[in-house]
Amino acid sequence: AQSVTQLDSQVPVFEEAPVELRCNYSSSVSVYLFWYVQYPNQGLQLLLKYLSGSTLVKGINGFEAEFNKSQTSFHLRKPSVHISDTAEYFCAVSEGDSSYKLIFGSGTRLLVRP
Amino acid sequence: NAGVTQTPKFQVLKTGQSMTLQCAQDMNHEYMSWYRQDPGMGLRLIHYSVGAGITDQGEVPNGYNVSRSTTEDFPLRLLSAAPSQTSVYFCATKGNTGELFFGEGSRLTVL
Repeated sequence: AQSVTQLDSQVPVFEEAPVELRCNYSSSVSVYLFWYVQYPNQGLQLLLKYLSGSTLVKGINGFEAEFNKSQTSFHLRKPSVHISDTAEYFCAVSEGDSSYKLIFGSGTRLLVRP
Repeated sequence: NAGVTQTPKFQVLKTGQSMTLQCAQDMNHEYMSWYRQDPGMGLRLIHYSVGAGITDQGEVPNGYNVSRSTTEDFPLRLLSAAPSQTSVYFCATKGNTGELFFGEGSRLTVL
């Protein structure tokens, strides 16, 4: 069964510093990978996704992620964060386009300090 | 274009009461789903539907019922609410590339 692990429950960082949010998954088949962001009292919105092709994926708000099949990872990065990036970030995986189940990690709260 | 609309946004129930969370979408997506979000546990899939008349269980289906009579609507029913069902509930549809589109959530408290 597929699963998603986000090891860091909270990541504090100063404004304009770089950040990496880690995500590892387990699956025996090819996967689709996603990062979602949730701002306070809102639903989730898509940051970026990996379906196939280039392993480096660029998303909205300056975020990017790299798919590493050998390490089964899909870490999210941003070179310089803003106060407005403070939110909760969720990694998610589905087993290809034939799966109707999207499994989420437990989330990482990014706290950007001035 | 409203996307995914959930009602109510907030609800307080007593143990044993029943209620229905409504979800409507105007995106003409076949796939709809319900998730619950609890602190430190991310989102867990309750039930999903791949089209009108078809539903299936997710990770945590116990205590919840669903039906899908139309493409647009996917209500979630709690027949006898329990405190363990206190949570934030999200309805989501899925587009052609696997991306989920979420509603704004329904916060349920069971006393």
